[in-house]
Amino acid sequence: AQKVTQVQTEISVVEKEDVTLDCVYETRDTTYYLFWYKQPPSGELVFLIRRNSFDEQNEISGRYSWNFQKSTSSFNFTITASQVVDSAVYFCALDPGTYKYIFGTGTRLKVLA
Amino acid sequence: GAVVSQHPSWVICKSGTSVKIECRSLDFQATTMFWYRQFPKQSLMLMATSNEGSKATYEQGVEKDKFLINHASLTLSTLTVTSAHPEDSSFYICSASAHSGGTYEQYFGPGTRLTVT
Repeated sequence: AQKVTQVQTEISVVEKEDVTLDCVYETRDTTYYLFWYKQPPSGELVFLIRRNSFDEQNEISGRYSWNFQKSTSSFNFTITASQVVDSAVYFCALDPGTYKYIFGTGTRLKVLA
Repeated sequence: GAVVSQHPSWVICKSGTSVKIECRSLDFQATTMFWYRQFPKQSLMLMATSNEGSKATYEQGVEKDKFLINHASLTLSTLTVTSAHPEDSSFYICSASAHSGGTYEQYFGPGTRLTVT
């Protein structure tokens, strides 16, 4: 089965706190791609990162970082020193090599001033 | 690059009428486009895969006669919701597929909010 699980439905943090959003995926394919998207209240999906299954290096982009661990089938996303503008719904998605994306249920992040 | 537009961004229609939503890839050609539906506070659910010049492939449970998809050119796909009912009210998002970094990546449109009264 191919599946993406985001167990955290909603997280609230105070500004400047660090927060990690969890993503666990399932696929039997050896070649696959993982994504994170941000969906602000406007609704438009904002692409954050794409990672292929052969690249387990962690990535950092400004306040954002991603930890990809094939051993645990996880692709977690951390926001350091969160800001109010980070408030949004964040989706993790899997492309199991079919070019069709499977989305997780999303995590709603609320950053309080 | 890789910009996808949708029109309209929002639409209100009366029950029983049909509404057409356009999805355009502005700066690239897309042989494949996807249509998603997102209900409030829920995830994106793939409705159908649209290939230029051929019939769309619908996901299980999606009524193909109700959600008509036409992909007449490499830059335009349309979704027509026929005989719309209030339960069809949703956020509809399209994406266009382009080759990137060894695979085909989807680029998403800004979405169309449909309200059926």
